[in-house]
Amino acid sequence: AQTVTQSQPEMSVQEAETVTLSCTYDTSENNYYLFWYKQPPSRQMILVIRQEAYKQQNATENRFSVNFQKAAKSFSLKISDSQLGDTAMYFCAFMGLKLVFGQGTRLTINP
Amino acid sequence: DGGITQSPKYLFRKEGQNVTLSCEQNLNHDAMYWYRQDPGQGLRLIYYSQIVNDFQKGDIAEGYSVSREKKESFPLTVTSAQKNPTAFYLCASSPGLGTYEQYFGPGTRLTVT
Repeated sequence: AQTVTQSQPEMSVQEAETVTLSCTYDTSENNYYLFWYKQPPSRQMILVIRQEAYKQQNATENRFSVNFQKAAKSFSLKISDSQLGDTAMYFCAFMGLKLVFGQGTRLTINP
Repeated sequence: DGGITQSPKYLFRKEGQNVTLSCEQNLNHDAMYWYRQDPGQGLRLIYYSQIVNDFQKGDIAEGYSVSREKKESFPLTVTSAQKNPTAFYLCASSPGLGTYEQYFGPGTRLTVT
């Protein structure tokens, strides 16, 4: 069974700083997708970024980028120039046949 | 607007009663999902449906039931057999199973006392 581990329950940074959220996963599959979802206080799940395992190039979406290390089964999220609106729970998720979520990292951006 | 709707946002029930949570989507997606979220935890899959009139148990299906009579609708019934029903429930949909990203509804907070 696939598992996803987020080792940082909480993180806090100042506005405009860069922050990196960690995620590791365990799978025997070769073809899969990885996602980072954001859940703000409204509790709406919002897709931040996705990565296809067969692509070596790291995905980037504006201020959000990932460091995908397939051999190490690591999938970290970097948020550059952090903003107050980035305050949320962030979930790493693995998609094989099913979507499996990590336990989340609560990120707080301080003014 | 296209999207997923869940109603109501907050739901209260007495212990021993069955309760049905609604989920509707107008994205023309084939696959739909139900997740449960507890404090300090990620989402756990309850049930999923790949097509109409077909659904499969997820990781925590005990005490829950679903139906998929229409493509747009995937209601979840929380039965009295569910030992700890108080939780936040999220519905999602995707074009198909597997590689597609899932789109989530706003969720329903169920409180059972």
